[in-house]
Amino acid sequence: DTGVSQDPRHKITKRGQNVTFRCDPISEHNRLYWYRQTLGQGPEFLTYFQNEAQLEKSRLLSDRFSAERPKGSFSTLEIQRTEQGDSAMYLCASSTDRALGTDTQYFGPGTRLTVL
Amino acid sequence: AQRVTQPEKLLSVFKGAPVELKCNYSYSGSPELFWYVQYSRQRLQLLLRHISRESIKGFTADLNKGETSFHLKKPFAQEEDSAMYYCALSGLSGGYQKVTFGTGTKLQVIP
Repeated sequence: DTGVSQDPRHKITKRGQNVTFRCDPISEHNRLYWYRQTLGQGPEFLTYFQNEAQLEKSRLLSDRFSAERPKGSFSTLEIQRTEQGDSAMYLCASSTDRALGTDTQYFGPGTRLTVL
Repeated sequence: AQRVTQPEKLLSVFKGAPVELKCNYSYSGSPELFWYVQYSRQRLQLLLRHISRESIKGFTADLNKGETSFHLKKPFAQEEDSAMYYCALSGLSGGYQKVTFGTGTKLQVIP
């Protein structure tokens, strides 16, 4: 296992198109997170899965965004009707739940989305 | 609500000089604090976490609950320390663990 992987690494799309990103977490990790990062900002939380259950969703995530983790392994993040404001780096991270709530997250390389 | 503040966008120091990257947080419960680092063209990775009280690559950070701070320190900066540093807080929000990141500080070590 080489860590968290994301596909694609780069995506350029036209405004109004739909895009889907994939994240493969570290195999034994049951928690999976999606973040968005824009220039000059830290990662902003989007959503969080514990196994296949989506437990939390940020207000940043409009109705155009949807995430799934159907079998508790890989996850997809879909953005419908993309807008130029969606241009950002989309990061995936995974972790494993342990006692005391320690939550060290391991990040993927990110998918850079550019909406023209 | 939980919040993390990193007041400096850029910190430039000379090689061999001490480094202190500031981080303040706001959280009503008992927080878990982390420092993540991102070197050029690499992914974000954990540097250290307060719960383990370890020193990684010469960096240390002490949680000061009175001042709600978790500043990152290193006595002698090295050129390879140049990177983006993010402070992060993990806490319960709505019954689930949520991680909030600061906006990051770019550390530039001048040879």
